[in-house]
Amino acid sequence: DIVMTQTPLSSPVTLGQPASISCRSSQSLVHSDGNTYLSWLQQRPGQPPRLLIYKISNRFSGVPDRFNGSGAGTEFTLKISRVEAEDVGVYYCMQGRQFPLTFGGGTKLEIK
Amino acid sequence: EVQLLESGGGLVQPGGSLRLSCAASGITFSTSEMSWVRQAPGKGLEWVSSITGSGGSTYYPDSLKGRFTISRDNSKNALYLQINSLRAEDTAVYYCARYCVGGSCSRYFDYWGQGTLVTVSS
Repeated sequence: DIVMTQTPLSSPVTLGQPASISCRSSQSLVHSDGNTYLSWLQQRPGQPPRLLIYKISNRFSGVPDRFNGSGAGTEFTLKISRVEAEDVGVYYCMQGRQFPLTFGGGTKLEIK
Repeated sequence: EVQLLESGGGLVQPGGSLRLSCAASGITFSTSEMSWVRQAPGKGLEWVSSITGSGGSTYYPDSLKGRFTISRDNSKNALYLQINSLRAEDTAVYYCARYCVGGSCSRYFDYWGQGTLVTVSS
């Protein structure tokens, strides 16, 4: 199984400041078709998860451009350029390279 | 508008069984690969199972094989999860989600229901 490890566990951020979350996979997420199936999801308090980013850096429909994904191979990063109050919640990375599908443990974004 | 509406959760005794349902609308259900993902109280997300659009292939993590059965009825736009021999550690919110794969999709969960809570306790 591919293990997804996120850091930090918690990230206190000042409104308007940037935030960064890292995700590492235990093996390369590059599929035999050449694509890297790494996505990011946001879960606001009391809500189901919501897709933010897919294939490392592609923003899903309706996602603000302050959310940006980057990385390659086994190392990935989600950056929020200027944190807003509505960004509070838990962020998860997820690999779709192979079954079993696996998620990172989550990073809690909170406002200082 | 896409809607995934789960039902069937509740309080069940250890060793009991439960069948969860998910009613889908706003998507082409018969060609959508569907999944169940669960979240124990205060914990992270755990993939439970996936099923192809035709229902011909199903997938489970090794840890859940044997007790969990995913199925679908494309004539009713419905997804199901049968859980047997329930244990306390199965207590979680169970989400129905579309796992978008193939075609223009890139292996991600793009639509989620609100979830249904399963509590296993005596």
